Amino acid sequence: EPEVTQTPSHQVTQMGQEVILRCVPISNHLYFYWYRQILGQKVEFLVSFYNNEISEKSEIFDDQFSVERPDGSNFTLKIRSTKLEDSAMYFCASSRQGNEKLFFGSGTQLSVL
Amino acid sequence: ILNVEQSPQSLHVQEGDSTNFTCSFPSSNFYALHWYRWETAKSPEALFVMTLNGDEKKKGRISATLNTKEGYSYLYIKGSQPEDSATYLCALTNDYKLSFGAGTTVTVRA
Repeated sequence: EPEVTQTPSHQVTQMGQEVILRCVPISNHLYFYWYRQILGQKVEFLVSFYNNEISEKSEIFDDQFSVERPDGSNFTLKIRSTKLEDSAMYFCASSRQGNEKLFFGSGTQLSVL
Repeated sequence: ILNVEQSPQSLHVQEGDSTNFTCSFPSSNFYALHWYRWETAKSPEALFVMTLNGDEKKKGRISATLNTKEGYSYLYIKGSQPEDSATYLCALTNDYKLSFGAGTTVTVRA
C-alpha cells in the first residue's frame, strides 16, 4: 500500500542551525501538510500546500519556516534558525483531495539543543 | 484554529467490554470531521471522514456517529481487544487544514 515517507526519523541540531525535514507524499496526492506535536501537547497544524503554493498556514508558521516542493516527489520543511521550542515530532501528511482523509508519515523527531 | 475538545482524556477498558468517547466542536461553519487512530511508535491512521449530520460510519468493531447541529461526534468500540489500545484523535476541518483535539487514550486490559 502506498505510504508517506519521511526522513530522517531523528534529527538533533544546535540552536540557531538550519534544518530541512524531508517528505515524499503519496504519488497521486495533490494536497500536502506539515503538522507537529510537542511532547505532551496536541497535534498542531503548521501549513498546507496545494498547486505549488501555500494554501493555509498557522501562526506557528512564521518567517523561520518555509516549505518547498523542489521536484515532483519531495516536499520539504525548512526551519532557518532553530529554537529550543521547535523541538517536536514533525509529521508530513498528504491527501488526494482537500476534503479527504490524510495519510501521515512516521514523523521526524527534531531535538534542538 | 477551531476549538475541538475530546473527553475523556484517557480510559481503561476490560477486554471484551464496549466503550465510547466524545469529540465536541463548534457547530457553525462545519465542513467535515475526521477520526484517526494513533498507536504508539506509529503514525496516525485515518478511521473515518464524516460530513453529514446523522452520519454513521463503521469499520469492523469501531463505529462513529455525527451530530453537526449540536456539535459532537461519538466513537464506539465494541468488544474491545488489546490491539484497540491507542490514542484516538478527532479533527475538524473547514477548509484545507485540520484542527485536532487532544485525543482520548484507550488502554485495553487483557
